[in-house]
Amino acid sequence: DVKVTQSSRYLVKRTGEKVFLECVQDMDHENMFWYRQDPGLGLRLIYFSYDVKMKEKGDIPEGYSVSREKKERFSLILESASTNQTSMYLCASSLGLSAQYFGPGTRLTVT
Amino acid sequence: GNSVTQMEGPVTLSEEAFLTINCTYTATGYPSLFWYVQYPGEGLQLLLKATKADDKGSNKGFEATYRKETTSFHLEKGSVQVSDSAVYFCALGTTGGGNKLTFGTGTQLKVEL
Repeated sequence: DVKVTQSSRYLVKRTGEKVFLECVQDMDHENMFWYRQDPGLGLRLIYFSYDVKMKEKGDIPEGYSVSREKKERFSLILESASTNQTSMYLCASSLGLSAQYFGPGTRLTVT
Repeated sequence: GNSVTQMEGPVTLSEEAFLTINCTYTATGYPSLFWYVQYPGEGLQLLLKATKADDKGSNKGFEATYRKETTSFHLEKGSVQVSDSAVYFCALGTTGGGNKLTFGTGTQLKVEL
């Protein structure tokens, strides 16, 4: 089975802090994705990567950056956290055009 | 652009009732279609998928048929259980750019005894 893990299930940070969310997959997938999930808005794509050191903006990249130095790891960075970034963050990976496999999510609260 | 429209929830059913969750889409080309399920406190799990017109995806008693003529991919189950209570997301994926998915807003299902 594909396994996608995320570094934390719950995270509380203060406004202005730099926040790192880590995602690791163990199935050699080339594609990795970061979404945020908010009530009534569904999932919105922040960034994705289809290869090491490659990244593409999704629908809502403002306030975020990403890093993919190794194939199995995709990091989401909030350079200066704000309260409107309080959300559930979901990481996913996929192989080619196959379905995406999701991690358990990180619920981030920015106070 | 691509979009997915799902029926609004919550949908509340009694155990053993028949379930339909409607999903329609707008896309260019020939997308793949997916249903994902999210149980409370968890990430999304792939429930079923279909990659071309008239394909039927099925898993755990759930089914959905890819209808190109009506641009629909409705989720059905003949007899729901309390354990099916979750949020269901319809999604479409297109070729190019690492197979990004476009998701619907999700439909919450509550099954009561």
